[in-house]
Amino acid sequence: DAGITQSPRYKITETGRQVTLMCHQTWSHSYMFWYRQDLGHGLRLIYYSAAADITDKGEVPDGYVVSRSKTENFPLTLESATRSQTSVYFCASCPEGTLGNTIYFGEGSWLTVV
Amino acid sequence: AQKVTQAQTEISVVEKEDVTLDCVYETRDTTYYLFWYKQPPSGELVFLIRRNSFDEQNEISGRYSWNFQKSTSSFNFTITASQVVDSAVYFCALSEASGAQKLVFGQGTRLTINP
Repeated sequence: DAGITQSPRYKITETGRQVTLMCHQTWSHSYMFWYRQDLGHGLRLIYYSAAADITDKGEVPDGYVVSRSKTENFPLTLESATRSQTSVYFCASCPEGTLGNTIYFGEGSWLTVV
Repeated sequence: AQKVTQAQTEISVVEKEDVTLDCVYETRDTTYYLFWYKQPPSGELVFLIRRNSFDEQNEISGRYSWNFQKSTSSFNFTITASQVVDSAVYFCALSEASGAQKLVFGQGTRLTINP
């Protein structure tokens, strides 16, 4: 029962570099999400996906790119990392439905941009 | 637009005290879901509860209880007889009832239980 896994868990990168955070889920959930956690802001939605090849912006999408070629994977790419993107990133997934399904979170990826 | 406010940034109590974490939300939807998550020092997010907007019954789970009041748009969380292991950051969140169920989080309340 692997669930939802994120990699890398910890990353230090330099300003301007491209960074990709990976997210993999084993449940075949339709929906996947990327959130970032910053002090004083709680978690904020970056991007989400309703299915393979369907993605949409969340509250704070600038500077990020996502793709979803396979249902189980939802990578998040910082094309040119900035210090303001230093944060904890959480991937989440949720099955399709209208009954208020539980949303499952990965363990988080700590990213530091220096 | 949806919004969740957790006005208490930090709370510190002595073990065995009862503590209530406040959550106030704003939404124009008639149907929605409310959540509480716990984030212990290890960093992961632990799901605690999901509440449908149509169900205003209070819920109790062991030492945890939740008071949902639609009239005041509040969904407060009480820990009875707190323990050191309850020390964590607690997040209240709101989502639409269908579709992607995107979560809108409050800022979080850091709870410290002192022995």
